[in-house]
Amino acid sequence: DVKVTQSSRYLVKRTGEKVFLECVQDMDHENMFWYRQDPGLGLRLIYFSYDVKMKEKGDIPEGYSVSREKKERFSLILESASTNQTSMYLCATLGYGRPENTQYFGPGTRLTVL
Amino acid sequence: GNSVTQMEGPVTLSEEAFLTINCTYTATGYPSLFWYVQYPGEGLQLLLKATKADDKGSNKGFEATYRKETTSFHLEKGSVQVSDSAVYFCALTVLGTAGNKLTFGGGTRVLVKP
Repeated sequence: DVKVTQSSRYLVKRTGEKVFLECVQDMDHENMFWYRQDPGLGLRLIYFSYDVKMKEKGDIPEGYSVSREKKERFSLILESASTNQTSMYLCATLGYGRPENTQYFGPGTRLTVL
Repeated sequence: GNSVTQMEGPVTLSEEAFLTINCTYTATGYPSLFWYVQYPGEGLQLLLKATKADDKGSNKGFEATYRKETTSFHLEKGSVQVSDSAVYFCALTVLGTAGNKLTFGGGTRVLVKP
């Protein structure tokens, strides 16, 4: 079974702090994704990575950056947290060449910025 | 671009009632279609999928048929249980696009009462 873990389930930070959200997967998947989930808006893609040190902007990258130094780990960074970044953050992975083309999700990190 | 529209919730049902959640889409290219489910406090899990027109995805008593002519992928279950209470997301991906990104609908919360 694919396992995707996220470093924290709940996180509370103050405005202006630098925030790191970590995602680790154990299935050697090439693609990794960061989404944020907000009521009524579904999931929106922030960034994704299709290989080590490779990254692409998603639909809402403003205010975020990412890091992928190792294949199994994909980090989301909020350089200076703001209250409008209070949200649920979900990490997902996808392997190349899998006919099912299914993304596997972590449990999520609920971030509150005060 | 790609987009997914699904009915807003919450949908409140009694146990053993029939459930339908509507989902329509627009896509550039030929999409694969998915339903994901999010149980309280958890990440998203794939519920079912269909990769070409007229395919029917099914799992755990849920079904959805890929209708190209109406660009729809409605989710149905004949007799819901309390354990089906969750948020349901319709999503699509177009193979060959960078990273095989998923585009999600806004999610539909379903509450099943005993």
